[in-house]
Amino acid sequence: DAGVIQSPRHEVTEMGQEVTLRCKPISGHDYLFWYRQTMMRGLELLIYFNNNVPIDDSGMPEDRFSAKMPNASFSTLKIQPSEPRDSAVYFCASSFQFYGYTFGSGTRLTVV
Amino acid sequence: AQSVTQLDSQVPVFEEAPVELRCNYSSSVSVYLFWYVQYPNQGLQLLLKYLSGSTLVKGINGFEAEFNKSQTSFHLRKPSVHISDTAEYFCAVTQGDDKIIFGKGTRLHILP
Repeated sequence: DAGVIQSPRHEVTEMGQEVTLRCKPISGHDYLFWYRQTMMRGLELLIYFNNNVPIDDSGMPEDRFSAKMPNASFSTLKIQPSEPRDSAVYFCASSFQFYGYTFGSGTRLTVV
Repeated sequence: AQSVTQLDSQVPVFEEAPVELRCNYSSSVSVYLFWYVQYPNQGLQLLLKYLSGSTLVKGINGFEAEFNKSQTSFHLRKPSVHISDTAEYFCAVTQGDDKIIFGKGTRLHILP
């Protein structure tokens, strides 16, 4: 099993640009989560899906953030337009029901 | 709402000494409990989990945790730490029908 795969590992972009982060969950997992981690705020849940349907997006900071899961094997998190305060490490995680998540290696986003 | 409290943000300990990382949760119903470890510049990795059964749970890398329902605690222990245990440790809880709630993390510093 390849685990949860995120791409890219690192992203540097200029303020105002669109950023798309990608995630491939573990096959057979029915939940997918997007987290953001910063030194100041720690680990924040942004949104999660169950069977490709968004269940709770209350953690999405503002309308500039959007997430989709078009099928069971792929999800994206998009920021448009990006701002320097969006700089963080973004993690994707998947699970079968809620019995322990498997995290990806993360995408380190830097907005300059 | 559920919550998880990790009482120590940082714990320094000498190499080969024992360590305990504290975790308390707030819930009056059955819960599932987890400890995750995050090594520098990596994603979170499941260390151990309690779903049911024996209250003493053994995990990877020589760690163990004890579920104490009366004290609503799930402290993590290791009898002898190694420099490679330097990492951030997250306690997490779920009732099984909702997302996992993470604590703010405890940084374990191993002193030579």
